[in-house]
Amino acid sequence: ELQLVESGGGLIQPGGSLRLSCKVSGFPLSGYWMHWVRRAPGKGLMWVARVNGDASSTNYVDSVKGRFTISRDNAKNTLYLQMNSLRVEDTAVYYCARGYEPLEYWGQGTLVTVSS
Amino acid sequence: SYELTQPLSVSVALGQTASLTCGGDLIENKNVHWYQQKPGQAPVLVISRDRNRPSGIPERFSGSNSGNTATLTIFRAQAGDEADYFCQVWDSGTGVFGGGTKLTVL
Repeated sequence: ELQLVESGGGLIQPGGSLRLSCKVSGFPLSGYWMHWVRRAPGKGLMWVARVNGDASSTNYVDSVKGRFTISRDNAKNTLYLQMNSLRVEDTAVYYCARGYEPLEYWGQGTLVTVSS
Repeated sequence: SYELTQPLSVSVALGQTASLTCGGDLIENKNVHWYQQKPGQAPVLVISRDRNRPSGIPERFSGSNSGNTATLTIFRAQAGDEADYFCQVWDSGTGVFGGGTKLTVL
């Protein structure tokens, strides 16, 4: 069974750092583009970042460039999102998703709350 | 940057047809994907590349894309179709979502 399970969310103060993980099973992580997408309270979905199968290519939404880093460890079947210099507006449920063009499969999400 | 425009809300009577639109500049030149999200759940892909239904998605879900508007059509709407629906495209290597439409089934 294909599964994506996020972890690492929590309450963090503005300016702090957090690393999210997405452990996948049921398919080899190395064969797929992977993404992070978030949904802030009362808002819509926002695509955050993507990485290709061998991590040679990454893309980010402008609002997180220079602060967030997407990475992957294919041997551990795990995707990561390192989030630095967190802002209140980064508060959201963060989802990992698999796919090249459409995002075919999604995890259940992990909540990140940035607040003092 | 590329923008997608969706109506905030659409209502449909039970058993009737709902049309959810997604507007963007010459969106017909892009592949449009549609996602359904119910409260407390992960998004689910319901239409890919304008009109393709993934495995497990009912035939009642249909997509089209022409000119400046892509449309998700839900035939014979059911109570279980109540959800937020988001359109999505790729533009210069970045993902773009519409603001989402809340579908209410009356």
